[in-house]
Amino acid sequence: DIQMTQSPSTLSASVGDRVTITCRASQNINDLLAWYQQKPGKAPQLLIYKASTLESGVPSRFSGSGSGTEFTLTISSLQPDDFATYYCQHYSSYWTFGQGTKVEIK
Amino acid sequence: QLVQSGAEVKKPGESLKISCLASGYKFNIYWIGWVRQMPGKGLEWMGIIYPGDSETRYSPSFQGQVTISADKSITTAYLQWSSLQASDTAMYYCVRREQFWKNDAFDMWGQGTMVTVSS
Repeated sequence: DIQMTQSPSTLSASVGDRVTITCRASQNINDLLAWYQQKPGKAPQLLIYKASTLESGVPSRFSGSGSGTEFTLTISSLQPDDFATYYCQHYSSYWTFGQGTKVEIK
Repeated sequence: QLVQSGAEVKKPGESLKISCLASGYKFNIYWIGWVRQMPGKGLEWMGIIYPGDSETRYSPSFQGQVTISADKSITTAYLQWSSLQASDTAMYYCVRREQFWKNDAFDMWGQGTMVTVSS
């Protein structure tokens, strides 16, 4: 089974900061990676699919990159609404999520 | 959109069936899945169903523990337990798999159903 490992688990940042979250796959997954945002008490929402394609309605400050085994989610200028937990996800035979990265206010 | 049934409080050993009503798209051609989130924890995929022919797949972690079904006449998917345990206490989300353009990502989520199992 393919394992997805995110880092860091928690990230403290300030409004306006550039933030990068990493997701590593245990084997090559090409570009079959999605990113989700979950705010407290809310359902997750799709941000990015195919590693780098922004979901409709998602602000352009979010971007995704990578292929193979290493991927990144970048927020170019952190906004108050972006403090949340972020998950990467891969699909092969099953859907596998990373353990999540919580972005906190510094 | 996906609209889930309300919160449930059950005792260990009881059965339960929660629902997910889909609207605004062609229900029969998109897989509907279920995702568990235990309190303070991450997301776990449980299983998925294709309403068109009721083909179902389960995560090995949940195989035999839950049953997923769908009624396409009322565009509703279900997740059920025959005998709940305290460890089933969690938020459960239904999700739509977008297999046409988005690499099987979950592009639509229900609001979640909180299930609490306590004696």
